[in-house]
Amino acid sequence: DAKTTQPPSMDCAEGRAANLPCNHSTISGNEYVYWYRQIHSQGPQYIIHGLKNNETNEMASLIITEDRKSSTLILPHATLRDTAVYYCIVRRANAGNMLTFGGGTRLMVKP
Amino acid sequence: DTAVSQTPKYLVTQMGNDKSIKCEQNLGHDTMYWYKQDSKKFLKIMFSYNNKELIINETVPNRFSPKSPDKAHLNLHINSLELGDSAVYFCASSQDYGGNSPLHFGNGTRLTVT
Repeated sequence: DAKTTQPPSMDCAEGRAANLPCNHSTISGNEYVYWYRQIHSQGPQYIIHGLKNNETNEMASLIITEDRKSSTLILPHATLRDTAVYYCIVRRANAGNMLTFGGGTRLMVKP
Repeated sequence: DTAVSQTPKYLVTQMGNDKSIKCEQNLGHDTMYWYKQDSKKFLKIMFSYNNKELIINETVPNRFSPKSPDKAHLNLHINSLELGDSAVYFCASSQDYGGNSPLHFGNGTRLTVT
């Protein structure tokens, strides 16, 4: 699976959009981009995933660049409860659901 | 209702002891996993079971023995505990193994070996 690079930490003001970048320049054509987050003392929580097209659900939006070498997770209106470590993971389709978690981005939402 | 539940939440024990962590999922998923999160917060896959069959064993010492009595349960037994086993252990499940279904995690078991 392709390696991902994320900034170690970011701050965001409450109520503003949080844009979390992820670089996956070695991604292959059949690899998906997944986002999970881990709130302190809890298990990781699935947020969203995509292959080529931008995706949106009730939690967030995923914007994937046309060359697929990077992506951005957008939390449209961040709240204090969104403070967590956010993991960007790239995984091959049909290769098993085993995920490899890197260091992630620690997002701090501030009032 | 809790989707993936682990017991106990905390486990403190001495070196050399044997302990078990239990995991149950009520999502009807076919695949279950054990992950370990060390003090540096990196999450690493340990085992993956699909329909009660072992799929993945990621170079885990054989002191760790998973047991899956049915699709809804995947327990982790650890023999001869060592200091380095101290970590948070997460159980997870997914709808299937080969597809793209997301993983659902439990809230972890914090194991402390003294």
